[in-house]
Amino acid sequence: QKEVEQNSGPLSVPEGAIASLNCTYSDRGSQSFFWYRQYSGKSPELIMFIYSNGDKEDGRFTAQLNKASQYVSLLIRDSQPSDSATYLCAVNEWNNQGGKLIFGQGTELSVKP
Amino acid sequence: DADVTQTPRNRITKTGKRIMLECSQTKGHDRMYWYRQDPGLGLRLIYYSFDVKDINKGEISDGYSVSRQAQAKFSLSLESAIPNQTALYFCATSDWRTGKAFFGQGTRLTVV
Repeated sequence: QKEVEQNSGPLSVPEGAIASLNCTYSDRGSQSFFWYRQYSGKSPELIMFIYSNGDKEDGRFTAQLNKASQYVSLLIRDSQPSDSATYLCAVNEWNNQGGKLIFGQGTELSVKP
Repeated sequence: DADVTQTPRNRITKTGKRIMLECSQTKGHDRMYWYRQDPGLGLRLIYYSFDVKDINKGEISDGYSVSRQAQAKFSLSLESAIPNQTALYFCATSDWRTGKAFFGQGTRLTVV
């Protein structure tokens, strides 16, 4: 089992719709969770982070965390063509040396005009 | 100037050659990482370092080595490059308090 798993997609949504991206993780000790956006040929950029159970909203983005179910999701409201990218879920796994950042395989999102 | 700088940005090398990818950062972070990215596989961790004296293997360290020359510099070496090491390589740093990571521009490596 991969440590961090995402649906690889591609996920296609019409412009203006809600895009829902999901991620599960295996390490119950994980404390920090991140969503990165990566445009083709570019480096990943951080768009959301969440540390506590529940929802966290930032503009059109909402991150949701459920530690009991080991599940984290990203909702993008009013999706725009410029949101078309690969979205990477990352988990900061904790060990006796500190934390290491592990990524899922990414979900490709396509927003159609 | 970028906070995390990778050199070179692109490199084509021959099978069996030794190659070094370099990363430097101005963010003052202790933690540095090397990842490789292949289509459909996301970012896979090669090595990570929490400080100059602390180096740890990631999930795919075979065939790679690293050197943490200073807090700001973390190099990745391929001692004898092989074609399946053709990939996009990223260096990243992170803040130990928040875990937020910041990436370099990437190095596209082709082994022929």
